[in-house]
Amino acid sequence: AQSVAQPEDQVNVAEGNPLTVKCTYSVSGNPYLFWYVQYPNRGLQFLLKYITGDNLVKGSYGFEAEFNKSQTSFHLKKPSALVSDSALYFCAVSANDYKLSFGAGTTVTVRA
Amino acid sequence: ETGVTQTPRHLVMGMTNKKSLKCEQHLGHNAMYWYKQSAKKPLELMFVYNFKEQTENNSVPSRFSPECPNSSHLFLHLHTLQPEDSALYLCASSRSEGTNEKLFFGSGTQLSVL
Repeated sequence: AQSVAQPEDQVNVAEGNPLTVKCTYSVSGNPYLFWYVQYPNRGLQFLLKYITGDNLVKGSYGFEAEFNKSQTSFHLKKPSALVSDSALYFCAVSANDYKLSFGAGTTVTVRA
Repeated sequence: ETGVTQTPRHLVMGMTNKKSLKCEQHLGHNAMYWYKQSAKKPLELMFVYNFKEQTENNSVPSRFSPECPNSSHLFLHLHTLQPEDSALYLCASSRSEGTNEKLFFGSGTQLSVL
């Protein structure tokens, strides 16, 4: 079985400050890891993914994520948050059975 | 726009009604999905179609009935639903049903069952 944990329901940061959204996973085999973002009244949008190679993955809108195999983590980061980054963020993992498992989501609020 | 369109955006139905959700993708993808999104819970995969063939039914109750007439269209037929079925239903597509394929989501249908 595979699973994803997003330990924080909510993250609040001030605009211009660094933003981190945490994600840990559990899979059998090599993981494929994803981040998606959901803006209000919209579907999920792909941000970035890790398949293999460099542990630091860069994605859309200035976001990046670091794959840490020993800690089974894939935290999402942005050096300087914007008010427009306020949204619901989902981490997801898949492995050999190709089905994506999503976390419960983390609501990010960036205050001006 | 993601290239995946869902209608209607909102639906209110009684427990004895029959309704259908529609999804259409203009991306030339071969795989389509139905997900259920409830607040504070992980997205639940319901059904997967690959080249119009159903490849996944994630123990979904029979009151939900999917239909995929071609690779561009996906329906979810609803009948005798329960109030706990109220949720956001998301359609998604991908190039293929591969492990590392990214999904393109529609904006969803917000369903309320009274």
